[in-house]
Amino acid sequence: EIVLTQSPATLSLSPGERATLSCRASQSVSSYLAWYQQKPGQAPRLLIYDASNRATGIPARFSGSGSGTDFTLTISSLEPEDFAVYYCQQRSNWPPVTFGPGTKVDIK
Amino acid sequence: EVQLVETGGGLIQPGGSLRLSCAASGFTVSSNYMSWVRQAPGKGLEWVSVIYSGGSTYYADSVKGRFTISRDNSKNTLYLQMNSLRAEDTAVYYCARENYGDYDYWGQGTLVTVSS
Repeated sequence: EIVLTQSPATLSLSPGERATLSCRASQSVSSYLAWYQQKPGQAPRLLIYDASNRATGIPARFSGSGSGTDFTLTISSLEPEDFAVYYCQQRSNWPPVTFGPGTKVDIK
Repeated sequence: EVQLVETGGGLIQPGGSLRLSCAASGFTVSSNYMSWVRQAPGKGLEWVSVIYSGGSTYYADSVKGRFTISRDNSKNTLYLQMNSLRAEDTAVYYCARENYGDYDYWGQGTLVTVSS
C-alpha cells in the first residue's frame, strides 16, 4: 500500500498570504494524485486531480504541481473561506486509494 | 444536479449490524464507480469499499469479510452492509462517486457509533 505523508501538519497564515502544502508518496504514483479541501462538518471537496488539473468550479488561486513522489498544492492568496484541512490522495494502481493525514491551514 | 444522501447511521453495540444507504440523483449509480469512504472522529479519510459499474467489488483489509457493498439499480441507491461491527468502525461514512480513482461528488455523511 502506498503511504502518503503531508507537511506541515498545520500552517498558520493570514488572509492574502500564499500557502504551500506538500504531499510525499512512499513510491511513485506518477501524476495520479488529487487534493481535497474539507471544512468542519462538511464532506471533502475535490480541488485538483491528476496532480495539476483543477476540478470544475475551483478558483484559479488553487494550483497543483509535481509528479512521481513529490507534490505541492499552492493557494496563491488565501481567502477567508480557504481556511480548512487539505488532504492529498493517490490512485496509482487503485484500489485501494490512500489519503494523506491532512494539513490544517488556520488563521494566524 | 448531482446529489448523494446517506442514511442509516446510528448507535450500535459491538458485534452488531447496520446497513447504510446512499440515494443518488442527477446521475445513474450503476453507470459509475461508487465508493464508501469513512472518517473517524477527528481523524483523516479512509477508503472502505468500491463497486464498479460492471459489478466488481473491492474492500479495505480492515473491513474485508465483514462489510458488503451493493447497489439497487431500480432505486439508484448504493448500500453498505456492515456486520460484526467494532469500536474502531466508529466514523462518519461518506458515499462518493468515483471518477477514475478520484471522488468528484460526496454525500454529507452519516455517523456510525459502535459502543456498548
